[in-house]
Amino acid sequence: DAKTTQPPSMDCAEGRAANLPCNHSTISGNEYVYWYRQIHSQGPQYIIHGLKNNETNEMASLIITEDRKSSTLILPHATLRDTAVYYCIVRGLTGTASKLTFGTGTRLQVTL
Amino acid sequence: GAVVSQHPSWVICKSGTSVKIECRSLDFQATTMFWYRQFPKQSLMLMATSNEGSKATYEQGVEKDKFLINHASLTLSTLTVTSAHPEDSSFYICSARRGSVGGGLGLSEQYFGPGTRLTVT
Repeated sequence: DAKTTQPPSMDCAEGRAANLPCNHSTISGNEYVYWYRQIHSQGPQYIIHGLKNNETNEMASLIITEDRKSSTLILPHATLRDTAVYYCIVRGLTGTASKLTFGTGTRLQVTL
Repeated sequence: GAVVSQHPSWVICKSGTSVKIECRSLDFQATTMFWYRQFPKQSLMLMATSNEGSKATYEQGVEKDKFLINHASLTLSTLTVTSAHPEDSSFYICSARRGSVGGGLGLSEQYFGPGTRLTVT
């Protein structure tokens, strides 16, 4: 079972920041928050992951609340190519918990 | 990032025949590979996990005799759909995980292939 809750869909204007929320209130102390996205008819693409500190890479920023019960993925300047389904996944280090289990994700539509 | 390929990218087969899908990690050794299935407008569902040189572990509800998985080397895993039927038509996606980053309890990063669309007529 997916351990995360995400809104089913969001819209964002091109050039604006896209903020995608994720709730993971049952996350354990050694579990990471991962974000992947899937553009139509392609395999998922890794975006970013974090444990408790905020993280940033060339694609996005990940903001994790202090209690770790929720996080936000930020695409700073969304483009049309960012239209995709975004999956927030909680992942442990070993065994069954280390598998990537996909929920329903958030369908982000970037518009002109 | 690491590259995972799948072949073929799409296949059409007749009901009752078998289809083999290959998954390769091109620039790293994959200690573990995963196979997912995705039906239209649905999320990815994990079918099985395979470690090189050992038998695959199937998720509940996935028939191991129907979906044969072979992970013969650290760069290749195959999924064979045996006696395919129209209800097996789906998007099959493999994923490869390489060794732990930094060893020990470090996370192993996981990369996905582009998927194979299977249509059974």
